[in-house]
Amino acid sequence: ELKVEQNPLFLSMQEGKNYTIYCNYSTTSDRLYWYRQDPGKSLESLFVLLSNGAVKQEGRLMASLDTKARLSTLHITAAVHDLSATYFCAVDIASSGSARQLTFGSGTQLTVLP
Amino acid sequence: DVKVTQSSRYLVKRTGEKVFLECVQDMDHENMFWYRQDPGLGLRLIYFSYDVKMKEKGDIPEGYSVSREKKERFSLILESASTNQTSMYLCASSFRLVADTQYFGPGTRLTVL
Repeated sequence: ELKVEQNPLFLSMQEGKNYTIYCNYSTTSDRLYWYRQDPGKSLESLFVLLSNGAVKQEGRLMASLDTKARLSTLHITAAVHDLSATYFCAVDIASSGSARQLTFGSGTQLTVLP
Repeated sequence: DVKVTQSSRYLVKRTGEKVFLECVQDMDHENMFWYRQDPGLGLRLIYFSYDVKMKEKGDIPEGYSVSREKKERFSLILESASTNQTSMYLCASSFRLVADTQYFGPGTRLTVL
C-alpha cells in the first residue's frame, strides 16, 4: 500500500523567511503533484513533476522531485501572507483501466505571520 | 477553463437517508473521481471511473456506490447515510492516459445527523 507522508503538518513562519515542506512516499513513482487549498475552497493545482530531477518554479514556490529518494520538496522563498494555505502533495500510480490514481499526503497547513 | 461543478455546497441529511452527490465536468475528461476530505487525513479516494459505465473502487469504497451514465456526470450515492460519513466530498476529473493534473470541484460539505 502506498503511503505518502508530509512534514511538517503545521508550519508558522514569518514573512520574508524561507522554508521547505517535505513529501516522502513509499513506492516507486515518477509523477508527483502539488496542490494548494485555501480555507473553504477546493484544491488548485500548483505543480506537476514528471521525472527524476524535475524542478518547477512559480513565483515564490519551487518544487522538486527525487524519485530515487522517493522525496519531493516544496520550497518557499521570502514568504508573504498570501501564501497562507494548506499544501498537499499527491503521488501518481497507475491503476486498472489506465486511470491514474492519486494518493494524497495529509497536507501542510502554512500560516505566514506579519 | 476547466469547470467541475458539484450539485450542492452544503447538505444536511439524517441517518439512514439515501444521499446523492452529483458532479459535472465540461472538458470531456474520461476520468472522474470522488474523494472525501477529513482533517488530518488528507484526501482519500472513494471511487473513480475511467469511462462511461466503468467504475473502480478506491481506498475507502465501503458504504458508497457510484454511477456514470454519461461522460460528463459522475454521481456518488450513500445508500444509507451514517454519521461517520459526515465529511467534505470532492469530485475531480482528468484526461485519460495523459500525465495531467486532476481538476477539482468546489466540494460538498455533508453533515449526517
